[in-house]
Amino acid sequence: EAQVTQNPRYLITVTGKKLTVTCSQNMNHEYMSWYRQDPGLGLRQIYYSMNVEVTDKGDVPEGYKVSRKEKRNFPLILESPSPNQTSLYFCASTPGGGRAGEQFFGPGTRLTVL
Amino acid sequence: GQQLNQSPQSMFIQEGEDVSMNCTSSSIFNTWLWYKQDPGEGPVLLIALYKAGELTSNGRLTAQFGITRKDSFLNISASIPSDVGIYFCAGPAHNDYKLSFGAGTTVTVRA
Repeated sequence: EAQVTQNPRYLITVTGKKLTVTCSQNMNHEYMSWYRQDPGLGLRQIYYSMNVEVTDKGDVPEGYKVSRKEKRNFPLILESPSPNQTSLYFCASTPGGGRAGEQFFGPGTRLTVL
Repeated sequence: GQQLNQSPQSMFIQEGEDVSMNCTSSSIFNTWLWYKQDPGEGPVLLIALYKAGELTSNGRLTAQFGITRKDSFLNISASIPSDVGIYFCAGPAHNDYKLSFGAGTTVTVRA
């Protein structure tokens, strides 16, 4: 089944404790992206990657890192999480080209930073 | 990022009603997308629009790409209970890979 998977689905952590949220897609998509969703703000793009080893900042990249060492995986790293990073996070992928906006989203990771 | 203004913020529907929502931007878009998010899940693409004036349907859903390229509309006809959820408009901001989303329209069934 074609899908985007994220792990973990739920995470409660404390300020300053490094964490990684994994994202994997099995559709051989070139493009992957991370978003955060907050009430009243919709989805805001954190980082995106157009291919292996090619990443770029979205609208809200501060406090986050990403890497794209292989095509299927695009982990999101929070080196020193803070309470304002408490949010619902989504990973997405798309084959790219002229239809880059047609994204497949993962199920989401709900992160709470105490 | 590019700001998309989506309205209404929320709406209550009764089964069988037609509902409409819209999205506007201060700048021109080459693509408009409409997504739906069910509770506890990620957004799912409903309709993608690529040409100004384009009218596209997906079942009971119809979306239009505004002539000015600064707006888009989504209509749901003969709504049913499973239409509840959050509907988002989206469009590429500065390049095709940098998507901006509206704040969403929450659709709820009227008791």
